[in-house]
Amino acid sequence: GAVVSQHPSWVICKSGTSVKIECRSLDFQATTMFWYRQFPKQSLMLMATSNEGSKATYEQGVEKDKFLINHASLTLSTLTVTSAHPEDSSFYICSAEAGTRRYEQYFGPGTRLTVT
Amino acid sequence: QKEVEQNSGPLSVPEGAIASLNCTYSDRGSQSFFWYRQYSGKSPELIMSIYSNGDKEDGRFTAQLNKASQYVSLLIRDSQPSDSATYLCAVNGGSGGYQKVTFGIGTKLQVIP
Repeated sequence: GAVVSQHPSWVICKSGTSVKIECRSLDFQATTMFWYRQFPKQSLMLMATSNEGSKATYEQGVEKDKFLINHASLTLSTLTVTSAHPEDSSFYICSAEAGTRRYEQYFGPGTRLTVT
Repeated sequence: QKEVEQNSGPLSVPEGAIASLNCTYSDRGSQSFFWYRQYSGKSPELIMSIYSNGDKEDGRFTAQLNKASQYVSLLIRDSQPSDSATYLCAVNGGSGGYQKVTFGIGTKLQVIP
């Protein structure tokens, strides 16, 4: 149980375009989902916390107009990177909290974004 | 002061030995503690959760929590080369809000065959 999927697993896009990443909890309902970014050889960096039906809470320094998060249902959250630039190239990982399991987070497999 | 501190390593142990990974945290009000394993290029995988003082065992893994010392550890018995990965300590709760999980930088473990 507690499986989280993420799509796409990797994407290459041109500078200035937008990219949407989907995160789904497959076998549980996730009232809260999280979006992280990880650069090579660095730790996870929390970007935002997403609650179903409400606006996401962004961490300090994360541009909410650039990284659009939509948590439309209890099993789906999306992250859209708008007007992507090469410095946005990173490993984006979502996680979902199974509410009955005391704050345990289950991670999706991640999306590797390369902006050319 | 960092909220969750880990030695980045690498920690090298021979195959079959016990690997001991340590983590300290600063928020005394923290309630939930986790260990995640992350292989290179992959996302983290939850391997242990612990909520009360003492030891919790699951197969070759034992998590130890000492809230008075604000210390969490992970022991891996009979270490295998497949255990080579980065181990992230994560702490939830306390003054950061109950939903906020803070991750340490991770300790890289190398199991030498």
